[in-house]
Amino acid sequence: KNEVEQSPQNLTAQEGEFITINCSYSVGISALHWLQQHPGGGIVSLFMLSSGKKKHGRLIATINIQEKHSSLHITASHPRDSAVYICAVPNSGGGADGLTFGKGTHLIIQP
Amino acid sequence: GAVVSQHPSRVICKSGTSVKIECRSLDFQATTMFWYRQFPKQSLMLMATSNEGSKATYEQGVEKDKFLINHASLTLSTLTVTSAHPEDSSFYICSARSLSRTGSNEQFFGPGTRLTVL
Repeated sequence: KNEVEQSPQNLTAQEGEFITINCSYSVGISALHWLQQHPGGGIVSLFMLSSGKKKHGRLIATINIQEKHSSLHITASHPRDSAVYICAVPNSGGGADGLTFGKGTHLIIQP
Repeated sequence: GAVVSQHPSRVICKSGTSVKIECRSLDFQATTMFWYRQFPKQSLMLMATSNEGSKATYEQGVEKDKFLINHASLTLSTLTVTSAHPEDSSFYICSARSLSRTGSNEQFFGPGTRLTVL
């Protein structure tokens, strides 16, 4: 079963700062997910990527399959970016699997 | 597109009662639905994988007789928590994989159901 490590667990930054959240996993995968969870609990899927880099607005996700590592970056951070960011990978690496989740990074952006 | 709904969003029940949670894919057909739960301050954990027309596959440590899953159609899966106890209080969330996107590993998440058992 895949194991996921995220860092940092908590991050407080000032508005405008560049944010990086890291994720490492133990078993080779078909794709990795970055998710956002707000205080009410709802989950929003930000990215699913299997190689290289993806960008959506101020969010950028990168993955290095060989090193089993991914990063989520937020440029020009804003208080509305405050949320828990979660990395998730397939349980056994395959695409048909349910997901194993990291413990999440609790991000607070102060104005 | 790719919207998943859950009902109810919040439920409070007495110990010993059963609670049914519905997960629907609103604008796509889902070959597979997954059920997860999240205890306070913990990460989401996979409970079971539900395939339309077949029995669900449960993760180790999840009691199949307590958490009944029915995936009766390509747009609906239900999770019934039977004889609920306070330790079952949790946030339950489903996700769905799209039939039309077979080969895509993308999962679409429902908004979740917060269960409180008194």
